Amino acid sequence: DSGVTQTPKHLITATGQRVTLRCSPRSGDLSVYWYQQSLDQGLQFLIQYYNGEERAKGNILERFSAQQFPDLHSELNLSSLELGDSALYFCASSDERGVTDTQYFGPGTRLTVL
Amino acid sequence: GQSLEQPSEVTAVEGAIVQINCTYQTSGFYGLSWYQQHDGGAPTFLSYNALDGLEETGRFSSFLSRSDSYGYLLLQELQMKDSASYFCAVRDRGANNLFFGTGTRLTVIP
Repeated sequence: DSGVTQTPKHLITATGQRVTLRCSPRSGDLSVYWYQQSLDQGLQFLIQYYNGEERAKGNILERFSAQQFPDLHSELNLSSLELGDSALYFCASSDERGVTDTQYFGPGTRLTVL
Repeated sequence: GQSLEQPSEVTAVEGAIVQINCTYQTSGFYGLSWYQQHDGGAPTFLSYNALDGLEETGRFSSFLSRSDSYGYLLLQELQMKDSASYFCAVRDRGANNLFFGTGTRLTVIP
């Protein structure tokens, strides 16, 4: 158990819909990272927040957005969903401001778009 | 940009030793990391190399050659529970994020 929690575990929705994925980092960690993992693919970095501020952006679509709240939990919002958005979405946390190689991953949210 | 190459699949026998290679191309290299991911599970950090040489952590070792843009993960005394996907990852100075390879699926057979 990494100490990172994600909800929900599974999400099934239809194309065109909007969903919100939630992540709580490990106690004391200020950085939160979001990743997308499609079938048989590696982890694609989406975005990083540090202490409430966006720190780094990866291959995140304009239909996706994220934020980190004062209590440090983070939410990833996915809108106008397409079939291709079906994937595992992981949140990771670390206690460093910059990119760190040691990130602690949550159990993930499996999103299925029908 | 950056790219990472690692074999897609490796099969090895329980008790044996297996090496998973990773070659990388990146601008502004910091170091090479390795993560393990069991089916349906979360990636778990295994090791990190910033300097040339071998880092050992129990049954797992990781090696880096910066001049060759190459590294490997060495798993010894393989156990069935080592069956998982193994990802190498680099930190890209330009993009300021961790970039993962597509992973090597290791299957340990009796």
